Amino acid sequence: DGGITQSPKYLFRKEGQNVTLSCEQNLNHDAMYWYRQDPGQGLRLIYYSQIVNDFQKGDIAEGYSVSREKKESFPLTVTSAQKNPTAFYLCASIGGQGNYGYTFGSGTRLTVV
Amino acid sequence: GQNIDQPTEMTATEGAIVQINCTYQTSGFNGLFWYQQHAGEAPTFLSYNVLDGLEEKGRFSSFLSRSKGYSYLLLKELQMKDSASYLCAVKDYKLSFGAGTTVTVRA
Repeated sequence: DGGITQSPKYLFRKEGQNVTLSCEQNLNHDAMYWYRQDPGQGLRLIYYSQIVNDFQKGDIAEGYSVSREKKESFPLTVTSAQKNPTAFYLCASIGGQGNYGYTFGSGTRLTVV
Repeated sequence: GQNIDQPTEMTATEGAIVQINCTYQTSGFNGLFWYQQHAGEAPTFLSYNVLDGLEEKGRFSSFLSRSKGYSYLLLKELQMKDSASYLCAVKDYKLSFGAGTTVTVRA
């Protein structure tokens, strides 16, 4: 079955370390998104990519970086410049005729200690 | 910019009906979505409205008024498994989400 795979599900890192979250999709979707969710808050857009080799900053891009070298993959790096990295990270994609909404991955919970 | 408001919490009894309101002010509009999210999990799609009116899907219905910037999600015959967060989201080139409404269903 097609879908989005995020790995790992839980991730622990020491403060000051960079960490990369994986997002892979086999839906042949063009557009991919990264969101962050904090307790009691909605999803906030970090970065998005509408086509391979192109990506744009979302509302809270500071301290994050992405790449889109392949259609299937959209990894997110949380850098040491991100002041409050502990959060639940969700990857999503959208595309295909008649598909108006997002398909979400299962998420990665990042804890920085 | 986007401004999407929904109540923080609602509580209802099993078998009852609950209506979750969502008001929005957005720079663009290409549809409104409702998602259900259980704790620690990804959101799952419930409904999509792009034209004014009511969309019904089993126990769940969603209504949209574009001129008023208003939508609601109606949950009927509540079950314990409906206890979750419900997210209102407006689409332009991306989805912008409200903070979510936590619904608690009590026996």
